[in-house]
Amino acid sequence: SQQGEEDPQALSIQEGENATMNCSYKTSINNLQWYRQNSGRGLVHLILIRSNEREKHSGRLRVTLDTSKKSSSLLITASRAADTASYFCAGNTDKLIFGTGTRLQVFP
Amino acid sequence: KAGVTQTPRYLIKTRGQQVTLSCSPISGHRSVSWYQQTPGQGLQFLFEYFSETQRNKGNFPGRFSGRQFSNSRSEMNVSTLELGDSALYLCASSWTASNEKLFFGSGTQLSVL
Repeated sequence: SQQGEEDPQALSIQEGENATMNCSYKTSINNLQWYRQNSGRGLVHLILIRSNEREKHSGRLRVTLDTSKKSSSLLITASRAADTASYFCAGNTDKLIFGTGTRLQVFP
Repeated sequence: KAGVTQTPRYLIKTRGQQVTLSCSPISGHRSVSWYQQTPGQGLQFLFEYFSETQRNKGNFPGRFSGRQFSNSRSEMNVSTLELGDSALYLCASSWTASNEKLFFGSGTQLSVL
């Protein structure tokens, strides 16, 4: 399978804490994207990082990319209960291949 | 601007039947992709269409097919349904074929009994 893997599979934290999710992928990519999914609904695009970038920020999100290790991480700072969702990375070659996802639970 | 619309939202079928799912992309988007999501396999790529042409296909049997119309609306069809086809089927659209930012619909939850 070409599917990437994410770690941890599940993460529980308190509001205000930071959440870090890691993603590993298998093939060379043009860019890597992170998406969020609430309760089995559609996914929402969060951020894109290109293969020639190492770090990118968007609001409370920070993404890193290490193409030599074929890995990426997503950091959500100062988490809120509303951040509770599943988070997926997706490597873009000529199609998007999604990782297995991390279920994040943020407790008030 | 309306988002990606998928119909129906829920569907119950029996083994051996066939099903057609519909997806209307965001106005102006010419690329439509389909994904199957199950608890065991996660998000699996089915196929992608751009301007009525299939650009890419995932590793699914020939029972899974799709098409895109001139107005960019897309349909996917599953024939001879199996129990394992029970899943959330997600459609996503984007402006170009580069897949740099996909907009997803809410999905069609298919249950095969």
